Amino acid sequence: AQKITQTQPGMFVQEKEAVTLDCTYDTSDPSYGLFWYKQPSSGEMIFLIYQGSYDQQNATEGRYSLNFQKARKSANLVISASQLGDSAMYFCAMRELQGAQKLVFGQGTRLTINP
Amino acid sequence: NAGVTQTPKFRVLKTGQSMTLLCAQDMNHEYMYWYRQDPGMGLRLIHYSVGEGTTAKGEVPDGYNVSRLKKQNFLLGLESAAPSQTSVYFCASSSPTRGTEAFFGQGTRLTVV
Repeated sequence: AQKITQTQPGMFVQEKEAVTLDCTYDTSDPSYGLFWYKQPSSGEMIFLIYQGSYDQQNATEGRYSLNFQKARKSANLVISASQLGDSAMYFCAMRELQGAQKLVFGQGTRLTINP
Repeated sequence: NAGVTQTPKFRVLKTGQSMTLLCAQDMNHEYMYWYRQDPGMGLRLIHYSVGEGTTAKGEVPDGYNVSRLKKQNFLLGLESAAPSQTSVYFCASSSPTRGTEAFFGQGTRLTVV
């Protein structure tokens, strides 16, 4: 069954440090997409980065990169040089591209950046 | 561009009342989704649609119904609201094209008393 697991309920990091947010997934579909979203305290959902299951290279978008390890079924988000504005909830999500096409989310990780 | 618009933004219902939440998107997306988010929790999929006239159940469909009569609209109905349905509801839409993200509405805060 399609499932996303985020095992870190909360993370606390000093400003300017790098942080890794964990995400593991389970699917039987060989073709799928993995997404990370940010939800600040204002509540909107902000798309950060995408990784396709057949992509050869790890995705990067500015300070965000995705550490994709297909064999381990993990898709960790790395934020480099963290900023105070990075404090938010972060969600990992997956969509199966051949199956039911559901977009399913993990439980989220609350990231707090300390000055 | 409006993107994804949810109506209403806030609502208070009494137990047993019914209501319909409207989601409208102007991006010609095939896929649309309804989620609920409880405090401190992730987004749980209620129902979704992969095209006009089609709907499917998600992870927590009980107590909700949906309809997708027009491609741009996805309606979520609560026939008899219960306090357990107090939550923030998000609608999202996406293209089936590989690599494209889902776009979200601003959310509807629903309280059932």
